[in-house]
Amino acid sequence: KNEVEQSPQNLTAQEGEFITINCSYSVGISALHWLQQHPGGGIVSLFMLSSGKKKHGRLIATINIQEKHSSLHITASHPRDSAVYICAVPGSARQLTFGSGTQLTVLP
Amino acid sequence: NAGVTQTPKFRILKIGQSMTLQCTQDMNHNYMYWYRQDPGMGLKLIYYSVGAGITDKGEVPNGYNVSRSTTEDFPLRLELAAPSQTSVYFCASSYQGGSNTEAFFGQGTRLTVV
Repeated sequence: KNEVEQSPQNLTAQEGEFITINCSYSVGISALHWLQQHPGGGIVSLFMLSSGKKKHGRLIATINIQEKHSSLHITASHPRDSAVYICAVPGSARQLTFGSGTQLTVLP
Repeated sequence: NAGVTQTPKFRILKIGQSMTLQCTQDMNHNYMYWYRQDPGMGLKLIYYSVGAGITDKGEVPNGYNVSRSTTEDFPLRLELAAPSQTSVYFCASSYQGGSNTEAFFGQGTRLTVV
């Protein structure tokens, strides 16, 4: 079973700061997902990546397959980025195994 | 497209009561999933389905049942509610299973059993 560890669990930043959230997993994978859960509770998919880097607006996701590690970066953070960020990797039963999430709070 | 729609958003149940959480998707996805999310924990898979008429247990299936009579609908049934089932429940769907396909989530159902 793939174990997923996220760090930090909680992160508070000032508006404009560069933010990094880390995800490590125990078993080699073909792709990793980053998800965002807003205070209202809904979950949306941010990235699905299997190598290198992907960028969407101010969000950048990187993955190092050899080191079994991925990072999610947010540049020029804004209070509206406040959310729980979750990484997920393949588990059994053709579904995902989820990390416990990183609670990000960006203060104005 | 509405995506994945879950109802209700909130519910309070008494111990021993039963209820059905509804989930429907309009993306013609084959795969559908039910997860529960407890504080400080990652989402745990309850049941999943790879197509109409086919369901299987996930990691934490005890106390729940599902059915998949159509591609669109995947209801989750709690027969005898227990306080341990207090959680936030998410339904999700994807076109294919596995990791190389995007999953779409409903808005969640916050259930409290008292």
